[in-house]
Amino acid sequence: QKEVEQNSGPLSVPEGAIASLNCTYSDRVSQSFFWYRQYSGKSPELIMSIYSNGDKEDGRFTAQLNKASQYVSLLIRDSQPSDSATYLCAVNSRQGAQKLVFGQGTRLTINP
Amino acid sequence: ETGVTQSPTHLIKTRGQQVTLRCSSQSGHNTVSWYQQALGQGPQFIFQYYREEENGRGNFPPRFSGLQFPNYSSELNVNALELDDSALYLCASSLRRMGGGETQYFGPGTRLLVL
Repeated sequence: QKEVEQNSGPLSVPEGAIASLNCTYSDRVSQSFFWYRQYSGKSPELIMSIYSNGDKEDGRFTAQLNKASQYVSLLIRDSQPSDSATYLCAVNSRQGAQKLVFGQGTRLTINP
Repeated sequence: ETGVTQSPTHLIKTRGQQVTLRCSSQSGHNTVSWYQQALGQGPQFIFQYYREEENGRGNFPPRFSGLQFPNYSSELNVNALELDDSALYLCASSLRRMGGGETQYFGPGTRLLVL
């Protein structure tokens, strides 16, 4: 079992709709969770971080965390063509080296 | 812009050669982590440096080594390059704090091609 799993997609969503991206993780001691956006040929860019169970909203983005289910998600409201990118879920265990463990990413395409 | 810089942006090497990649961390950050990202995959943790010492290492062979300098900048060295080392190498800087969980900010990366 991979430590962090994401559906690789591609996920295709019409412009203006809600895009829902999901991620599961295997390490129960994981404490910090991040969503990064990566455009083709570029480096990952931080979108959201979440540490506690529940929802965290930032503009059109909402991160949701459920530690009991070991599940974290990202919702993008009013999707725009500029949101088309690969979205990487990353998990940090807070134990030992503060390394990020990434999923393989979900490729999202917003169709005008 | 994260304030993290990397050099060079692109590099072409041949098998068996050695390469050094450089990273300058964001102002105020004291920790540098290096990741390797193969095409179509998520980044894989190579190692992390804090206070000029290696602070954790991923599943990479000893021919991957690094340094952190007093100004918190860092180098990644790879000896005896192999074709599979072709990837995007990412540097991330962060501020170590009590309790962990710090946020890492990535530089633009160095794309290495090994022929």
